[in-house]
Amino acid sequence: DTGVSQDPRHKITKRGQNVTFRCDPISEHNRLYWYRQTLGQGPEFLTYFQNEAQLEKSRLLSDRFSAERPKGSFSTLEIQRTEQGDSAMYLCASSFSGNSNEQFFGPGTRLTVL
Amino acid sequence: DQQVKQNSPSLSVQEGRISILNCDYTNSMFDYFLWYKKYPAEGPTFLISISSIKDKNEDGRFTVFLNKSAKHLSLHIVPSQPGDSAVYFCAASDRGSTLGRLYFGRGTQLTVWP
Repeated sequence: DTGVSQDPRHKITKRGQNVTFRCDPISEHNRLYWYRQTLGQGPEFLTYFQNEAQLEKSRLLSDRFSAERPKGSFSTLEIQRTEQGDSAMYLCASSFSGNSNEQFFGPGTRLTVL
Repeated sequence: DQQVKQNSPSLSVQEGRISILNCDYTNSMFDYFLWYKKYPAEGPTFLISISSIKDKNEDGRFTVFLNKSAKHLSLHIVPSQPGDSAVYFCAASDRGSTLGRLYFGRGTQLTVWP
């Protein structure tokens, strides 16, 4: 399977704990995005990488959130001191820079903060 | 500020009939539009897209229409099949920006019944 993969698929944690998610994009894609989706909403943009450079962060990404893409391949999203409001589906997408902007999504990581 | 709006949260259609899903946007800088389909517990799957230089794009049973003056687009599915039952998200981007983030609507749940 050469699609976008995410790990873990599900994560349950207690409030105040740190969590880290991983995304492996499609191998030839140089752009990588993180989105968050809550119930009844569409995906909301969190941050974007072109190769290893983080080019934009949404204001939704508080200082408790950090994302990296150290070698321009896989990416990690860490949430420190989780809060119940962080409970959501975290989606990763990748694309190849060009004229279109078709982003291919992974299956997501479902985070539940108790 | 919801820049992409899907005002119908749900749509129910009989198998074989046409499904029409609607989407409105407010940002005149958007120049590329996409439709994604999402099944439960999966990430969104790219379906079809259209550039603002076109007013129609067709792919098999799926056709997207764009009315720039009205800032409105629609997805037509003909004929509808039970396997089309899913949540459909409309998304838009500004390719003039180097950022490439997608702005999503809240989705429309399509149910196709036999």
